[in-house]
Amino acid sequence: EVQLVESGGGLVQPGGSLKLSCEASGLNFNGFALHWVRQVSGKGLEWVGRIRSTSHNYATTYTASLKGRFTISRDDSKNTAYLQMNGLKTDDTAVYYCSAYEDEWSGTTYYYQTAVWGTGTTVTVSS
Amino acid sequence: DIQMTQSPSSLSASVGDRVTITCRASQGVSTYLAWFQQKPGKAPKSLIYAVSNLQSGVPSKFSGSGSGTHFTLTINSLQPEDSATYYCHQYHTFPYTFGQGTKLEIK
Repeated sequence: EVQLVESGGGLVQPGGSLKLSCEASGLNFNGFALHWVRQVSGKGLEWVGRIRSTSHNYATTYTASLKGRFTISRDDSKNTAYLQMNGLKTDDTAVYYCSAYEDEWSGTTYYYQTAVWGTGTTVTVSS
Repeated sequence: DIQMTQSPSSLSASVGDRVTITCRASQGVSTYLAWFQQKPGKAPKSLIYAVSNLQSGVPSKFSGSGSGTHFTLTINSLQPEDSATYYCHQYHTFPYTFGQGTKLEIK
């Protein structure tokens, strides 16, 4: 069964840090780009960023407002991607999802033909 | 950033009805357009990619069309399980962006 499982969410104080994990199984992790998307409770979806595969030098792209505070990385030997979040603000409170797409299709309209999503992990930033 | 605007924001329809949700992009996104379905407390589920291509396992009652800046999602023969929020999503230009969502209620 193909699946992604996020972990690492929890309660953190403003200004603190948290590192989320996204562990994959049932897919050729090395060939997939990993994206992070977040959702504030009761609100819409916000794309956070992505990391490409080793074939594309693990290139990362972020939404501008989060760049500098959030960093995406991956460890292919563990089939796991990470989202390091620093300088957390109350506005960062959300459910964080990871999703995977076949990297070879990146830049084409068929990029999303294979879409795998995790079930999400909740981050609460509060004092 | 490319703004994706969906209409309506919410709608109510009866079992057996057909509904259409519209998504407009502030700039052209060619055919780099996907639709997601999200039920309460669940992760988004990919329905359609590249405007009109159904994901594996998605019933043919769902269909998408459009190009450039104007897109539609049509759902035929509504059933209670279609009650959800639907999001359009462009993956043409970074940062990728989503519409604000359309909440569909089945009466």
